[in-house]
Amino acid sequence: YVLTQPPSVSVAPGQTARIPCGGNNLGPKSVHWYQQKAGQAPVVVVYDDSDRPSGIPDRFSGSVSGNRATLTISRVDAGDEADYYCQVWDPRSDQRVFGGGTKLTV
Amino acid sequence: EGQLVESGGGLAQPGESLTLSCTSTGFSLSEYTMSWVRQAPGKGLEWVSYISSSGDSIYYGDSVRGRFTISRDSAKNSLYLQMNSLRTEDTALYHCARDADYGDYPAYHMDVWGKGTTVTV
Repeated sequence: YVLTQPPSVSVAPGQTARIPCGGNNLGPKSVHWYQQKAGQAPVVVVYDDSDRPSGIPDRFSGSVSGNRATLTISRVDAGDEADYYCQVWDPRSDQRVFGGGTKLTV
Repeated sequence: EGQLVESGGGLAQPGESLTLSCTSTGFSLSEYTMSWVRQAPGKGLEWVSYISSSGDSIYYGDSVRGRFTISRDSAKNSLYLQMNSLRTEDTALYHCARDADYGDYPAYHMDVWGKGTTVTV
């Protein structure tokens, strides 16, 4: 199972960043998003398509439509620069799968 | 929330073996489903393996199945990854990660990650 993400997304400070993640029959799956800043371990920012862990700003949101999931970051600032990964569980192969990651540049 | 600490990484020759360990502070690792996730230098995240809290459910990624073995020792509050027949493509930073809940539910997300231990083959 493959999750496809663009290698990079660039956005100006204060604007909205949208990071897509595409996968076959994505709708029934729970999509999770992780943020990884340089030299640090990943941190979950959205789970189960659109839920946000405590401590994650409400500027981070997620949605799924058809075969595409989107992580939306509003009012982007320099602190949001990081690699972002989508992830699902594929029951056909019994494997967790990560997208290739998207580097967000602010 | 607690922390995870990995150890056991190092330099190995192709075909050799290494065993990674992961322990927790601030929570009991034995209560949670755990995973190993790796990241090759300059590359993205790759899920490696999953073990439920009971140890009854175990899954592996295609690239390591048959060579790596995940296990846990509740008494030692530890998670392990036995890596055999190592290949150059196994070179990576290996993270252990905790599932967000207690159940055996592979669709859960991972909410606590260790900083990783480096394996060089």
